[in-house]
Amino acid sequence: GAVVSQHPSRVICKSGTSVKIECRSLDFQATTMFWYRQFPKQSLMLMATSNEGSKATYEQGVEKDKFLINHASLTLSTLTVTSAHPEDSSFYICSAREAGRSNEQFFGPGTRLTVL
Amino acid sequence: GESVGLHLPTLSVQEGDNSIINCAYSNSASDYFIWYKQESGKGPQFIIDIRSNMDKRQGQRVTVLLNKTVKHLSLQIAATQPGDSAVYFCAEKVSGANSKLTFGKGITLSVRP
Repeated sequence: GAVVSQHPSRVICKSGTSVKIECRSLDFQATTMFWYRQFPKQSLMLMATSNEGSKATYEQGVEKDKFLINHASLTLSTLTVTSAHPEDSSFYICSAREAGRSNEQFFGPGTRLTVL
Repeated sequence: GESVGLHLPTLSVQEGDNSIINCAYSNSASDYFIWYKQESGKGPQFIIDIRSNMDKRQGQRVTVLLNKTVKHLSLQIAATQPGDSAVYFCAEKVSGANSKLTFGKGITLSVRP
């Protein structure tokens, strides 16, 4: 149980285009989802926290108009990187938490974004 | 600001030996700690966790030790195997519905055959 999937696993796009990444909780209802970014040989940095049906809360320094997060259902959250540039190339990882289990976070397999 | 950090960037061990990975944390309010393993190109994988009311917890081949006095966390892996080669992260948080995980910098464990 407690499986989180991401799609796509990797994507290559041209500079200036937008890319959408999906995060799904497959066997539980995720009231809270988190989006992380990880650059090579670095740690995971939290970008934003989203609660189902609410606007996402962004960490300091993360542009909300550039990284659009939608958490419209209890099993799906999406991250859209708008007008992507090469510096947005990174490994994006989502995680999900079930209601009433505040200490347990389940991570997805990540999405490798390369912007040319 | 508060942060979680690791002492060593890399650790190389001989297959069959025990590994010890250390982590320092600075948020004295943190009461829940987790070790994750991340293989190349994959998401973090939960290894073991510990709450602040404990100082030791054992799993299968792994043990986590917590020293709240010096804000230190360690992960011990017994009889290290090649499949243990990965990057290991400690993470900490303050329990609560709105709390967030803070990850340490990560350490690469390399197992020599």
